[in-house]
Amino acid sequence: QSALTQPPSASGPPGQSVTISCTGTSNDVGGYNYVSWYQQHPGKAPQLMIYEVIKRPSGVPDRFSGSKSGNTASLTVSGLQAEDEADYYCSSYAGSNNVVFGGGTKLTVL
Amino acid sequence: QLRLQESGPGLVKPSETLSLTCTVSGGSISSSDHYWGWIRQPPGKGLEWIGSVYYGGSSYYNPSLNSRVTILVDTSRNQFSLNLRSVTAADTAVYFCARLMYYGDYLDYWGQGNLVTVSS
Repeated sequence: QSALTQPPSASGPPGQSVTISCTGTSNDVGGYNYVSWYQQHPGKAPQLMIYEVIKRPSGVPDRFSGSKSGNTASLTVSGLQAEDEADYYCSSYAGSNNVVFGGGTKLTVL
Repeated sequence: QLRLQESGPGLVKPSETLSLTCTVSGGSISSSDHYWGWIRQPPGKGLEWIGSVYYGGSSYYNPSLNSRVTILVDTSRNQFSLNLRSVTAADTAVYFCARLMYYGDYLDYWGQGNLVTVSS
């Protein structure tokens, strides 16, 4: 299984919106509605931000939203805040009880 | 509140076996709704899925690591473990344990991570 493809970096000024893409294949992203997104600050464990493509765990601000079209999933962060600066990883179910991660995107709040 | 804590040596010699344990507290590992997984992150790099185990003992591994990995569960101790054989410097990473939803395959609780360095 190959890693999902994410842009290495993304950025935007406070208050703006940024969208991060996550491209896979019909064997993972395109084949299942089991895409999730994680936020990781330096030296910390990842934190679940979006699951099952569009769902938000309790406590995650509604500024974070997810979507999917074909083999590409997306995470949109609206109303960027300084604390949103972090690494973001997508993951997808890849069949046969396996999970695949994206390479990660470093989000910078300008 | 569910808590996961990794434990194990921080230094392993090349060709030896890396062994880590994840202790689950604040909830039962014998949950029909969850798997229990291991993920690693080499320094400065991204996340890599290692594999998972169900409380009944069934385990599933990343095909790229399948020949070297064993993940076991001990329900009496509310723990699960990772063994990675024949390690090299490329296995140096922070190893995380996490809870994986049975349906949805998302990781909702994570341990803090355990840095393991492979070096002689």
